[in-house]
Amino acid sequence: EDQVTQSPEALRLQEGESSSLNCSYTVSGLRGLFWYRQDPGKGPEFLFTLYSAGEEKEKERLKATLTKKESFLHITAPKPEDSATYLCAVQAQGGSEKLVFGKGTKLTVNP
Amino acid sequence: GAVVSQHPSWVICKSGTSVKIECRSLDFQATTMFWYRQFPKQSLMLMATSNEGSKATYEQGVEKDKFLINHASLTLSTLTVTSAHPEDSSFYICSAPPFGQGANSPLHFGNGTRLTVT
Repeated sequence: EDQVTQSPEALRLQEGESSSLNCSYTVSGLRGLFWYRQDPGKGPEFLFTLYSAGEEKEKERLKATLTKKESFLHITAPKPEDSATYLCAVQAQGGSEKLVFGKGTKLTVNP
Repeated sequence: GAVVSQHPSWVICKSGTSVKIECRSLDFQATTMFWYRQFPKQSLMLMATSNEGSKATYEQGVEKDKFLINHASLTLSTLTVTSAHPEDSSFYICSAPPFGQGANSPLHFGNGTRLTVT
């Protein structure tokens, strides 16, 4: 069974304090690993897709990396507006486009 | 970019009544749509896959007679929660992969529907 575990569950940072979020996964053949941002009461907003180990993608203060067992979302010099829950999800090979999600990491950035 | 619209954004209903939630793809066609449910501090759990022109596929443990799904066109899927009970109170979110943009296109999500059953 495909599984995604995210850590930590919650993270509090001061503005400008860089850190990383972890996503560990087990999947029967990875088609893609996705990072989403979710604000309270909203649907997930797409950030990145990673397809193979060693791949990296960046967007503003966020950088996602991928190994064969886990992915990291690095946040450099975060701002209060980066506060949100960050979700990791995997998509398995085999035809279905459904995603299996982790529980997310709730990030709070204090000014 | 691809947009998925969900309606209503919130609904309160009495126990025993039915509620319909709509999910529309606004600027792309979606032969498949996914319905997720999210309880507080929990991950999004896939409930069912909605297929245009055919029956939906339900995940294990999801009652197909309680959660009726209809995908009548390439831009609209509906989820009807029948005979709702307080334990059905949750955040329901739909998503769709843009058709024709490749198997690795990211899913686009609606903004969810907060259902409260009293």
